[in-house]
Amino acid sequence: KAGVTQTPRYLIKTRGQQVTLSCSPISGHRSVSWYQQTPGQGLQFLFEYFSETQRNKGNFPGRFSGRQFSNSRSEMNVSTLELGDSALYLCASSSETGVSTDTQYFGPGTRLTVL
Amino acid sequence: AQSVAQPEDQVNVAEGNPLTVKCTYSVSGNPYLFWYVQYPNRGLQFLLKYITGDNLVKGSYGFEAEFNKSQTSFHLKKPSALVSDSALYFCAVRVVSSGSARQLTFGSGTQLTVLP
Repeated sequence: KAGVTQTPRYLIKTRGQQVTLSCSPISGHRSVSWYQQTPGQGLQFLFEYFSETQRNKGNFPGRFSGRQFSNSRSEMNVSTLELGDSALYLCASSSETGVSTDTQYFGPGTRLTVL
Repeated sequence: AQSVAQPEDQVNVAEGNPLTVKCTYSVSGNPYLFWYVQYPNRGLQFLLKYITGDNLVKGSYGFEAEFNKSQTSFHLKKPSALVSDSALYFCAVRVVSSGSARQLTFGSGTQLTVLP
C-alpha cells in the first residue's frame, strides 16, 4: 500500500505570496492532519480533517487554512507569507477506526522557504 | 493540557551497546503514547505505540518502549544499537478529549548518534 504523499517536496516563495500544499493519504484513510516543523518551535499541530470537515485546529493565525476533498485528499493554504512560515509541513493520515488509538502515518513533508 | 518532555537533546552511544531515549509525559486522563523517528529530509516514521495492557511495547527495527505510569515515563530502548539508528527521535502523546481530537503533542526531539 502506498504511503502518504505530499507535493511539492520543496517550495521557495517570497514574502506576501500565498502557497498551496497538497497531501494524498494512504488509501482507505479518511483522517488527515497537518503539522508544522521548525527548529525553534518543533512540531506543532495545524489542523485535522475528516470527511471534508475540519475537526480540530491548532493555535495558528487565520492565514493558515485547509480543506479536504471527497477522496480524502487534503490541501493547506498559507496566505500572505511571512519569513517565519519557513518550515517543513508534514501531513499525516490515519484510518479513523473510531477510537483515538489510531496511528498517524506521516508523509515526507513539503519544505517551504520564504525569502 | 498535555505535554511531553524529552530531557536529552543529544544521545551518543557506541555501536553494539544498548540505547535509551527518554520521554516523560504530563496528561490528565489516560495517555496514548507514540514514538516516531525522523531521518534527514524525511517525514516521521512510526516506531511503536502504547495504548493499554502490557507495559513493554515492541516495535519496528528492534525497538521497544516501557510504559511506567508511576513515573509518567515512556522510554525508548534497543538492546544493541546500529549506526543506521542515528536519527532524530520524537515521543508524542494523545489524550482523548471532547470531539475525539486526534492531534499529537510532540516532545522536542532527541538526536541519537550511534558511533562506529
